[in-house]
Amino acid sequence: QKEVEQDPGPLSVPEGAIVSLNCTYSNSAFQYFMWYRQYSRKGPELLMYTYSSGNKEDGRFTAQVDKSSKYISLFIRDSQPSDSATYLCGVGNYGQNFVFGPGTRLSVLP
Amino acid sequence: SQTIHQWPATLVQPVGSPLSLECTVEGTSNPNLYWYRQAAGRGLQLLFYSVGIGQISSEVPQNLSASRPQDRQFILSSKKLLLSDSGFYLCAWSITDYEQYFGPGTRLTVT
Repeated sequence: QKEVEQDPGPLSVPEGAIVSLNCTYSNSAFQYFMWYRQYSRKGPELLMYTYSSGNKEDGRFTAQVDKSSKYISLFIRDSQPSDSATYLCGVGNYGQNFVFGPGTRLSVLP
Repeated sequence: SQTIHQWPATLVQPVGSPLSLECTVEGTSNPNLYWYRQAAGRGLQLLFYSVGIGQISSEVPQNLSASRPQDRQFILSSKKLLLSDSGFYLCAWSITDYEQYFGPGTRLTVT
């Protein structure tokens, strides 16, 4: 079993839709959770990080962590064509290197 | 604010040629530094990380090597490139356990 899994997509949604992106992880020791956005041929950009179960909101983005299920989500409200990118989740723990999912490719259609 | 630079942005090299990719970080001191390779659909593969000058840990045995000659400089090298070394190489830095920041990347094509 891979440490972090994501549906690779592509996921296509109409502009204005609510997008749900998800990751599962296998090791319950992970304590830190991150979401990155990566445009084509660019480096990943850190969107949000959290280290507790529950929700964390930043503008149109909400990160949700369920440690009991080892499940993390990123919700994008009022999605825009500029949100079209690959979204990577990452997990980590104190003193350990990060582990990243393979990414989900999102297309928001105007 | 912190900035991370990588160069070159794009590189085409023949099989068997040497490689040197450079990464520098500005605006922070004593960062942890990382080299990743990203292959299409396969996510980020950690190649090397460094917690200080001259301290390099390798995650994946291969024909690549890394060096950290200065606090904010990280170099990825190879003496002889293989076709399988093609990919998108990313440098990253962190100073906490929950944030990591990536550079713009170098796209390497080995022909």
